[in-house]
Amino acid sequence: QVQLVESGGGLVKPGGSLRLSCAASAFTFSDYYMSWIRQAPGGGLEWLSHISTSGSPTQYADSVKGRFTISRDNAKNSLYLQMNSLRAEDTAVYYCARVRDTHGSGTNDYWGQGTLVTVSS
Amino acid sequence: DIQMTQSPSSLSASVGDTVTITCRASQGITNYLAWFQQKPGQAPKSLIYATSSLQNGVPSKFSGSASGTDFTLTISSLQPEDFATYYCQQYHTYPPTFGQGTKLEIK
Repeated sequence: QVQLVESGGGLVKPGGSLRLSCAASAFTFSDYYMSWIRQAPGGGLEWLSHISTSGSPTQYADSVKGRFTISRDNAKNSLYLQMNSLRAEDTAVYYCARVRDTHGSGTNDYWGQGTLVTVSS
Repeated sequence: DIQMTQSPSSLSASVGDTVTITCRASQGITNYLAWFQQKPGQAPKSLIYATSSLQNGVPSKFSGSASGTDFTLTISSLQPEDFATYYCQQYHTYPPTFGQGTKLEIK
């Protein structure tokens, strides 16, 4: 059973930084692109970033480009999201998700349970 | 960015009913359309990809179709566990974008 477990969320002040992690298991992590997707409280889903199997190339939503960095460690079966210059509007549940295949820009077949990031002073 | 417009935003139905949710893309996306189900406090769950292909383990009561840039999710014989919020997603072009969601409620 594919499992994705996010961690690292919490309360951070505006302008601060946070690093999210996602531990993957029960599949060959290095074979799959991975994504970060977020959901603001009571809101819809927003795709943030993709990373290829090797770590490059990467893609970002305009809303986070230059502030967030996606990375992975295939030896540790782990995905990361470094978030800098955080703003109140970054408050959301952050999900990591496996990319099904490389058709189009990729959709997601398995999602983690999410980790909550709250940006507030 | 490609805009995905879902309708209706909310829908009331009874157990046993068949319902249809529609998603319209602002431009052509060929068949790169997925549907997700989300229950309160849970992560989204993949139902359908490539317009009409069922994710492993998803019952055949869920089906998808398309006509041009209009995409449809049909859920037949509604059961209590089907009442949730449903999202469409286009993945033809970066960035992948989601519809605003359709909340399916018990009448």
